[in-house]
Amino acid sequence: EIVLTQSPGTLSLSPGERATLSCRASQTVTSSYLAWYQQKPGQAPRLLIYGASSRATGIPDRFSGSGSGTDFTLTISRLEPEDFAVYYCQHYGSSPLVTFGPGTKVDI
Amino acid sequence: EVQLVQSGAEVKKPGESLKISCQGSGYGFYGHWIAWVRQMPGKGLEWMGIIYPDDSNTKYSPSFQGQVTISVDKSISTAYLQWSSLKASDTAMYFCARLGAEGGKEAFDIWGQGTMVTVSS
Repeated sequence: EIVLTQSPGTLSLSPGERATLSCRASQTVTSSYLAWYQQKPGQAPRLLIYGASSRATGIPDRFSGSGSGTDFTLTISRLEPEDFAVYYCQHYGSSPLVTFGPGTKVDI
Repeated sequence: EVQLVQSGAEVKKPGESLKISCQGSGYGFYGHWIAWVRQMPGKGLEWMGIIYPDDSNTKYSPSFQGQVTISVDKSISTAYLQWSSLKASDTAMYFCARLGAEGGKEAFDIWGQGTMVTVSS
């Protein structure tokens, strides 16, 4: 069974700073099926990154994803006020079929 | 516009049944898997199950197998999540999401707005 672990649980930063979020899988996963989502309070999640490193439509280029195997990273190069939210990594295609990480909250 | 529109908030009593819906538009509904995701108050995202509208092939998370039923009516581009006997612990926001596949890389690219289900006596 695939388990995704995200760190840190909370990241306290200021606008303009760089954010580095980690997602670690309990076993090697297929990068093609590793995604990142952003969720703001009272809203549905929004797809940011798919295939570990491809930005979804309309996502600003300050968001980037990288990694392979068991270790993946979401980087926000310069935080904008609207980027303060919770970020989830997610994997598709193993057992269980869909797994979400517990999330990282990025706050001021 | 490609979108998933979910039914409205529900307030139910323990033991009651419920069926919530998720209607797709703006794309070929039958050709994309639709998943249901639970988010309990203040908590993270939990995958419940997924259905392929074209043939109703359904897969459940072990955590939700036997607790809910996922179905679809492709003639009206609508997926459903239903409970036969609600519990207070079913109180949560429920999202549907489309599994998109761009270049063979699959992810949930379109999400419904969520349906809040409150179960209280």
